[in-house]
Amino acid sequence: LAKTTQPISMDSYEGQEVNITCSHNNIATNDYITWYQQFPSQGPRFIIQGYKTKVTNEVASLFIPADRKSSTLSLPRVSLSDTAVYYCLVGRMDSNYQLIWGAGTKLIIKP
Amino acid sequence: DVKVTQSSRYLVKRTGEKVFLECVQDMDHENMFWYRQDPGLGLRLIYFSYDVKMKEKGDIPEGYSVSREKKERFSLILESASTNQTSMYLCASSLAQTGTGDHYGYTFGSGTRLTVV
Repeated sequence: LAKTTQPISMDSYEGQEVNITCSHNNIATNDYITWYQQFPSQGPRFIIQGYKTKVTNEVASLFIPADRKSSTLSLPRVSLSDTAVYYCLVGRMDSNYQLIWGAGTKLIIKP
Repeated sequence: DVKVTQSSRYLVKRTGEKVFLECVQDMDHENMFWYRQDPGLGLRLIYFSYDVKMKEKGDIPEGYSVSREKKERFSLILESASTNQTSMYLCASSLAQTGTGDHYGYTFGSGTRLTVV
């Protein structure tokens, strides 16, 4: 299973776009990339998932280059409530449970 | 709007007690999971279940057992609680793979913070 590497922490300001990059050099052909958000004392919340190119939903975009060795979560116009830990995970398409959770990126949004 | 419900947010138990953590989901998901989350160690999978009465060990099953008698309910059992089982316990569920390459993310509960004294 591919291990992921993310920055431990990031700071930004309200209204800015925030990009969090995740490295997964050993990603396999049948692996997908998923991002979760976690607030203190809550369970992680699914944000977005992709396999290649770009995926966008109502809260975020996910950019995946052609080699798929990294991915970037983009949060447009962040607010204070986006302060959370963000996890990047790589998992097999043929399995629901083979996921490795790293330490995540602690994102702090300042006023 | 709550979809995965864990029976308790906070629990304090004594060493040696048998502890039951209950999890119920209302999304008709096939898969259910129990994780524990500790500072510096991230989320670690204890057990998962992909069908009623089916269970598989995760990365750290020692000291735990599970029960899935109904599709919507997945219970985690600490046979004899110990202080090193003090942790945040998270239950999650997901749809089964369709084989088409589609995948659906996990839906987590709010967690149960268990303290064993």
